[in-house]
Amino acid sequence: QVQLVESGGGLVKPGGSLRLSCAASGFTFSDYYMSWIRQAPGKGLEWVSYISSSGSTIYYADSVKGRFTISRDNAKNSLYLQMNSLRAEDTAVYYCARERSGSWFDPWGQGTLVTVSS
Amino acid sequence: NFMLTQPHSVSESPGKTVTISCTGSSGSIASNYVQWYQQRPGSAPTTVIYEDNQRPSGVPDRFSGSIDSSSNSASLTISGLKTEDEADYYCQSYDSSNQGVFGGGTKLTVL
Repeated sequence: QVQLVESGGGLVKPGGSLRLSCAASGFTFSDYYMSWIRQAPGKGLEWVSYISSSGSTIYYADSVKGRFTISRDNAKNSLYLQMNSLRAEDTAVYYCARERSGSWFDPWGQGTLVTVSS
Repeated sequence: NFMLTQPHSVSESPGKTVTISCTGSSGSIASNYVQWYQQRPGSAPTTVIYEDNQRPSGVPDRFSGSIDSSSNSASLTISGLKTEDEADYYCQSYDSSNQGVFGGGTKLTVL
């Protein structure tokens, strides 16, 4: 079945870096756009970034532009999010999600928690 | 920036019908598709409506979506409410800069 599994979350100090990974299985990964979406504790969903199937087209939310980098390795069926200059407000559960028809996210992974605190 | 506004919470009794609105801040909400996601506590979101009014397989036909261009809003309607429908619901679309946008979420209580 289609499955997305995130990893790489943890506790990091402000100004630090972290790299998240998302392992995909059960579908042809290289055919799909992929996205990262986050959710701060007790808050709503916030779209972070997406990347086209080939990696040639990338968009970021203004809140992370210049600090986060999305990438993918189609040979490894993996999606990544390199997060630099982390701030307390980046604390959230980070979900990876497959994009369908360029508009909706399905499925979502189970999420990985990133905590930015000194 | 384009924003989607949802009511913070709604409540209704089992067996009744509830409608959750999602209002676009500017431009036309009909310019891009609107999706709706259900999120139960401790779980990842799942899609209940995509492309304005389409249901993924496995989602019961008690869930329906619509667009009202006159009010620049989208709506999620759940009929025959069940206690298992109690969850947070989020609308989602894209803005003109190809940035994803989520509504703030609506907590549905079925009591």
